[in-house]
Amino acid sequence: LAKTTQPISMDSYEGQEVNITCSHNNIATNDYITWYQQFPSQGPRFIIQGYKTKVTNEVASLFIPADRKSSTLSLPRVSLSDTAVYYCLVGAISGNTGKLIFGQGTTLQVKP
Amino acid sequence: SAVISQKPSRDICQRGTSLTIQCQVDSQVTMMFWYRQQPGQSLTLIATANQGSEATYESGFVIDKFPISRPNLTFSTLTVSNMSPEDSSIYLCSVGQRDSPYEQYFGPGTRLTVT
Repeated sequence: LAKTTQPISMDSYEGQEVNITCSHNNIATNDYITWYQQFPSQGPRFIIQGYKTKVTNEVASLFIPADRKSSTLSLPRVSLSDTAVYYCLVGAISGNTGKLIFGQGTTLQVKP
Repeated sequence: SAVISQKPSRDICQRGTSLTIQCQVDSQVTMMFWYRQQPGQSLTLIATANQGSEATYESGFVIDKFPISRPNLTFSTLTVSNMSPEDSSIYLCSVGQRDSPYEQYFGPGTRLTVT
Protein backbone atom coordinates (compact mmCIF):
# COMPACT_ATOMS: atom_id res chain seq x y z
CA LEU A 1 0.00 0.00 0.00
CA ALA A 2 1.25 3.47 -0.91
CA LYS A 3 2.75 5.59 1.86
CA THR A 4 1.05 8.91 2.53
CA THR A 5 2.47 12.15 3.90
CA GLN A 6 0.28 14.89 5.30
CA PRO A 7 0.85 17.85 7.64
CA ILE A 8 0.74 16.92 11.30
CA SER A 9 -1.41 19.89 12.22
CA MET A 10 -3.25 22.87 10.77
CA ASP A 11 -5.07 25.84 12.24
CA SER A 12 -8.00 27.69 10.74
CA TYR A 13 -10.77 30.08 11.69
CA GLU A 14 -14.49 29.64 11.50
CA GLY A 15 -15.94 30.38 8.09
CA GLN A 16 -12.70 29.78 6.21
CA GLU A 17 -12.08 27.14 3.58
CA VAL A 18 -9.53 24.57 4.65
CA ASN A 19 -7.40 22.58 2.25
CA ILE A 20 -5.43 19.59 3.52
CA THR A 21 -2.96 18.13 1.06
CA CYS A 22 -1.75 14.57 1.11
CA SER A 23 1.30 13.35 -0.78
CA HIS A 24 1.34 9.81 -2.15
CA ASN A 25 4.15 9.60 -4.66
CA ASN A 26 4.07 5.81 -4.94
CA ILE A 27 0.38 5.51 -5.69
CA ALA A 28 -0.41 2.53 -7.90
CA THR A 29 -2.73 2.39 -10.87
CA ASN A 30 -5.43 0.53 -8.95
CA ASP A 31 -5.23 2.65 -5.82
CA TYR A 32 -8.10 4.80 -4.61
CA ILE A 33 -7.76 7.80 -2.30
CA THR A 34 -9.95 7.95 0.78
CA TRP A 35 -10.28 10.46 3.59
CA TYR A 36 -11.56 9.83 7.10
CA GLN A 37 -12.37 12.19 9.96
CA GLN A 38 -11.99 11.33 13.63
CA PHE A 39 -13.33 13.25 16.59
CA PRO A 40 -11.93 12.63 20.07
CA SER A 41 -13.27 9.48 21.71
CA GLN A 42 -14.99 8.34 18.51
CA GLY A 43 -14.16 5.97 15.70
CA PRO A 44 -13.13 7.42 12.32
CA ARG A 45 -15.85 8.48 9.91
CA PHE A 46 -15.67 8.15 6.13
CA ILE A 47 -15.65 11.54 4.38
CA ILE A 48 -14.91 11.06 0.71
CA GLN A 49 -13.24 8.80 -1.82
CA GLY A 50 -11.88 9.40 -5.30
CA TYR A 51 -9.72 8.03 -8.07
CA LYS A 52 -8.97 11.07 -10.25
CA THR A 53 -10.05 14.66 -10.98
CA LYS A 54 -12.59 16.07 -8.57
CA VAL A 55 -15.17 14.52 -6.32
CA THR A 56 -17.68 16.50 -4.28
CA ASN A 57 -20.26 15.49 -1.71
CA GLU A 58 -22.28 17.29 0.91
CA VAL A 59 -19.35 17.42 3.29
CA ALA A 60 -16.19 18.04 1.27
CA SER A 61 -14.44 18.09 -2.08
CA LEU A 62 -11.49 16.01 -3.12
CA PHE A 63 -9.12 17.28 -5.78
CA ILE A 64 -6.77 14.83 -7.47
CA PRO A 65 -4.32 16.06 -10.14
CA ALA A 66 -3.65 14.11 -13.29
CA ASP A 67 -0.49 12.44 -11.95
CA ARG A 68 -2.39 11.36 -8.79
CA LYS A 69 0.74 11.79 -6.66
CA SER A 70 -1.12 14.04 -4.28
CA SER A 71 -4.68 14.90 -3.30
CA THR A 72 -6.32 17.79 -1.51
CA LEU A 73 -9.28 17.56 0.81
CA SER A 74 -11.23 20.81 0.80
CA LEU A 75 -13.62 21.68 3.63
CA PRO A 76 -15.76 24.71 2.80
CA ARG A 77 -16.52 27.25 5.50
CA VAL A 78 -15.35 25.26 8.50
CA SER A 79 -16.95 25.56 11.92
CA LEU A 80 -15.68 24.74 15.39
CA SER A 81 -17.23 21.29 15.05
CA ASP A 82 -14.84 20.48 12.21
CA THR A 83 -11.98 20.33 14.70
CA ALA A 84 -10.78 16.76 14.29
CA VAL A 85 -8.05 14.53 12.93
CA TYR A 86 -8.20 13.94 9.18
CA TYR A 87 -6.64 10.83 7.68
CA CYS A 88 -5.63 10.32 4.06
CA LEU A 89 -5.55 6.70 2.96
CA VAL A 90 -4.35 5.26 -0.32
CA GLY A 91 -4.64 1.68 -1.37
CA ALA A 92 -6.29 -0.91 -3.47
CA ILE A 93 -8.68 -3.46 -2.15
CA SER A 94 -7.43 -6.84 -3.22
CA GLY A 95 -9.29 -10.08 -2.91
CA ASN A 96 -11.13 -10.31 0.34
CA THR A 97 -8.86 -8.06 2.37
CA GLY A 98 -10.46 -4.63 2.19
CA LYS A 99 -8.01 -3.42 4.77
CA LEU A 100 -7.27 0.24 5.43
CA ILE A 101 -3.87 1.43 6.55
CA PHE A 102 -3.99 4.70 8.48
CA GLY A 103 -1.14 7.21 8.45
CA GLN A 104 -0.45 9.79 11.11
CA GLY A 105 -3.29 12.12 10.13
CA THR A 106 -3.66 15.90 10.24
CA THR A 107 -5.04 17.51 13.37
CA LEU A 108 -7.19 20.44 12.31
CA GLN A 109 -7.92 23.05 14.95
CA VAL A 110 -10.68 25.50 14.06
CA LYS A 111 -10.64 28.67 16.11
CA PRO A 112 -13.49 31.13 16.67
CA SER B 1 -24.58 3.20 6.46
CA ALA B 2 -24.24 0.80 9.37
CA VAL B 3 -24.57 1.31 13.10
CA ILE B 4 -21.95 -0.48 15.16
CA SER B 5 -21.95 -1.03 18.88
CA GLN B 6 -19.15 -2.34 21.03
CA LYS B 7 -19.18 -3.89 24.46
CA PRO B 8 -17.76 -3.07 26.88
CA SER B 9 -17.20 0.62 26.26
CA ARG B 10 -14.34 0.56 28.74
CA ASP B 11 -12.75 -1.76 31.24
CA ILE B 12 -9.93 -1.92 33.71
CA CYS B 13 -8.28 -5.33 33.89
CA GLN B 14 -5.46 -6.94 35.78
CA ARG B 15 -2.40 -8.22 33.98
CA GLY B 16 -2.53 -11.86 33.05
CA THR B 17 -6.27 -11.89 32.51
CA SER B 18 -8.22 -11.86 29.25
CA LEU B 19 -10.97 -9.61 27.94
CA THR B 20 -13.40 -10.30 25.13
CA ILE B 21 -14.70 -7.32 23.19
CA GLN B 22 -17.92 -7.65 21.24
CA CYS B 23 -18.80 -5.87 18.02
CA GLN B 24 -22.44 -5.87 16.89
CA VAL B 25 -23.68 -4.45 13.59
CA ASP B 26 -27.27 -3.54 12.76
CA SER B 27 -27.04 -5.08 9.27
CA GLN B 28 -25.24 -7.92 7.54
CA VAL B 29 -21.74 -7.04 6.43
CA THR B 30 -19.11 -9.03 4.61
CA MET B 31 -15.98 -7.43 6.02
CA MET B 32 -15.08 -6.70 9.62
CA PHE B 33 -11.82 -5.37 10.98
CA TRP B 34 -10.24 -4.85 14.35
CA TYR B 35 -7.97 -1.91 15.09
CA ARG B 36 -5.96 -0.67 18.04
CA GLN B 37 -5.37 3.00 18.79
CA GLN B 38 -3.10 4.33 21.46
CA PRO B 39 -4.16 7.72 22.88
CA GLY B 40 -3.08 10.48 20.54
CA GLN B 41 -1.88 8.01 17.94
CA SER B 42 -3.16 6.71 14.64
CA LEU B 43 -4.98 3.42 14.15
CA THR B 44 -3.16 0.13 13.71
CA LEU B 45 -4.93 -2.73 12.00
CA ILE B 46 -4.89 -5.93 14.06
CA ALA B 47 -6.77 -8.32 11.83
CA THR B 48 -9.41 -8.79 9.18
CA ALA B 49 -12.39 -11.02 9.98
CA ASN B 50 -14.30 -11.52 6.78
CA GLN B 51 -17.27 -13.80 6.47
CA GLY B 52 -16.46 -17.28 5.30
CA SER B 53 -12.75 -17.18 6.00
CA GLU B 54 -10.30 -17.37 8.86
CA ALA B 55 -9.15 -14.13 10.40
CA THR B 56 -6.07 -12.65 8.79
CA TYR B 57 -3.61 -11.03 11.16
CA GLU B 58 -1.26 -8.16 10.44
CA SER B 59 2.43 -8.28 11.18
CA GLY B 60 3.05 -8.11 14.90
CA PHE B 61 -0.29 -9.60 15.88
CA VAL B 62 -0.88 -13.30 16.47
CA ILE B 63 -3.95 -15.42 16.94
CA ASP B 64 -2.89 -16.75 20.35
CA LYS B 65 -2.79 -13.22 21.71
CA PHE B 66 -5.80 -11.79 19.82
CA PRO B 67 -8.21 -14.62 18.95
CA ILE B 68 -11.12 -13.47 16.84
CA SER B 69 -14.49 -15.03 16.22
CA ARG B 70 -16.92 -14.22 13.41
CA PRO B 71 -19.92 -16.48 13.96
CA ASN B 72 -22.25 -14.62 11.59
CA LEU B 73 -22.57 -11.56 9.36
CA THR B 74 -23.49 -9.14 12.16
CA PHE B 75 -21.21 -10.07 15.03
CA SER B 76 -17.56 -10.51 15.91
CA THR B 77 -15.44 -10.74 19.02
CA LEU B 78 -11.83 -9.89 19.74
CA THR B 79 -10.16 -11.36 22.80
CA VAL B 80 -7.09 -9.75 24.30
CA SER B 81 -5.35 -12.62 26.07
CA ASN B 82 -2.86 -12.69 28.91
CA MET B 83 -2.94 -8.93 29.12
CA SER B 84 -0.04 -6.71 30.07
CA PRO B 85 0.02 -2.93 30.58
CA GLU B 86 1.28 -2.58 27.00
CA ASP B 87 -2.14 -3.77 25.83
CA SER B 88 -3.76 -0.68 27.29
CA SER B 89 -5.35 0.98 24.29
CA ILE B 90 -8.58 1.72 22.49
CA TYR B 91 -9.84 -1.20 20.41
CA LEU B 92 -12.16 -0.46 17.50
CA CYS B 93 -14.04 -2.62 15.09
CA SER B 94 -15.04 -1.50 11.63
CA VAL B 95 -17.26 -2.97 8.94
CA GLY B 96 -17.49 -2.71 5.19
CA GLN B 97 -19.02 -4.27 2.13
CA ARG B 98 -17.07 -5.74 -0.78
CA ASP B 99 -18.81 -3.48 -3.28
CA SER B 100 -17.69 -0.38 -1.37
CA PRO B 101 -14.70 -1.53 0.64
CA TYR B 102 -13.18 1.88 1.31
CA GLU B 103 -16.32 3.24 2.93
CA GLN B 104 -16.04 1.57 6.29
CA TYR B 105 -17.99 2.28 9.45
CA PHE B 106 -16.36 2.25 12.84
CA GLY B 107 -17.64 1.39 16.25
CA PRO B 108 -17.20 3.78 19.19
CA GLY B 109 -14.27 1.79 20.56
CA THR B 110 -13.45 -0.04 23.77
CA ARG B 111 -11.04 1.70 26.10
CA LEU B 112 -8.94 -0.91 27.87
CA THR B 113 -6.65 -0.20 30.79
CA VAL B 114 -4.43 -2.98 32.12
CA THR B 115 -3.00 -2.58 35.59
